[in-house]
Amino acid sequence: AQSVAQPEDQVNVAEGNPLTVKCTYSVSGNPYLFWYVQYPNRGLQFLLKYITGDNLVKGSYGFEAEFNKSQTSFHLKKPSALVSDSALYFCAAWLMNTGFQKLVFGTGTRLLVSP
Amino acid sequence: DGGITQSPKYLFRKEGQNVTLSCEQNLNHDAMYWYRQDPGQGLRLIYYSQIVNDFQKGDIAEGYSVSREKKESFPLTVTSAQKNPTAFYLCASSPRMYNEQFFGPGTRLTVL
Repeated sequence: AQSVAQPEDQVNVAEGNPLTVKCTYSVSGNPYLFWYVQYPNRGLQFLLKYITGDNLVKGSYGFEAEFNKSQTSFHLKKPSALVSDSALYFCAAWLMNTGFQKLVFGTGTRLLVSP
Repeated sequence: DGGITQSPKYLFRKEGQNVTLSCEQNLNHDAMYWYRQDPGQGLRLIYYSQIVNDFQKGDIAEGYSVSREKKESFPLTVTSAQKNPTAFYLCASSPRMYNEQFFGPGTRLTVL
């Protein structure tokens, strides 16, 4: 079945250290992949996307993501974490079944950055 | 939250009542979507619309209804047939399918 998985419910990192939030996908064809961030009681904010091209995608607020086709992964990264990065992060992928297309989300990873 | 507004921010419903959640966008996007968010389950698609006067069921459409009479508006009605409606509801839009989606601030619905 086509799906998106975020294997970690929570990631803890100290401010100033690099962070990685993991995502793996299982979709037919070429994947369209996205990362979103959600702050408490707010809507999701788009961070970055991979459609085609360079495997390293740069996005908003200093975030980047690395697309790895052989490992079917799209991990979110940032070289130096900020306390204000603490939030819920969602990976998503477009599923393109015949007659039905939708954006499917992982279950989310909570990032906690400690001072 | 861009050019998408949702109202109200909080909504309380009694058992057996229908309620309508508003979603308006000024981004001139063709496609609009409704999601339901429950803790630990990510987002689940309720309905989506690719164009005015057309909409499609998502994964959990039972107990919900929508309309798309105007490009900028996509209201969601939670009917009494929805047995467990307490959740956070998110509306989104995109220029067309396969683009990134832009989300509204959400409506938190609680059944009393």
